[in-house]
Amino acid sequence: NAGVTQTPKFQVLKTGQSMTLQCAQDMNHNSMYWYRQDPGMGLRLIYYSASEGTTDKGEVPNGYNVSRLNKREFSLRLESAAPSQTSVYFCASSEGTSGPLWYFGPGTRLTVT
Amino acid sequence: ELKVEQNPLFLSMQEGKNYTIYCNYSTTSDRLYWYRQDPGKSLESLFVLLSNGAVKQEGRLMASLDTKARLSTLHITAAVHDLSATYFCAVAYTGTASKLTFGTGTRLQVTL
Repeated sequence: NAGVTQTPKFQVLKTGQSMTLQCAQDMNHNSMYWYRQDPGMGLRLIYYSASEGTTDKGEVPNGYNVSRLNKREFSLRLESAAPSQTSVYFCASSEGTSGPLWYFGPGTRLTVT
Repeated sequence: ELKVEQNPLFLSMQEGKNYTIYCNYSTTSDRLYWYRQDPGKSLESLFVLLSNGAVKQEGRLMASLDTKARLSTLHITAAVHDLSATYFCAVAYTGTASKLTFGTGTRLQVTL
């Protein structure tokens, strides 16, 4: 039981490059989330998926897109990376409205130069 | 819009001392969470508080929830160096989807 996994762990991009962050969970959770963490600002919600086939914007969605590929996988795409997107990205999953627990992945540290 | 405020943002304390971290939130919620984060690591779940008056304790940490005051506290008793970390509270409210909103975190440094 791996929980929530994320790839890659580290990435350096040049401004304008694109990339996709991958996230998978093996707990059969309905809901999945992408957060970014910046110093002094806590974690902020980028996008979430309440259930397979649905996605919604969070607090800071600009510059990102997401895909809920199936119930297990939720990817985050940066189409044209900007230095302001330098951050640590965490994927999370939860049972959704029926359950109280969230589970977080190990994080992806992204630097955009 | 749900806002979650933590204070203090930074706390330096000596081993053996007691202190409290405060978490205020702006709208009605049915769940409050406390997490610990060590540098370069992910979030570790500490407590889930589900109802008014809930109190949970684990070792030197005790968390409580007052939903009427929209306030949660994390009390540290007789701090030890191993408790040095950043602590986050987070609030969930259920609507069409359950979302977690985080406070800015409290960086705790316990000195010998």
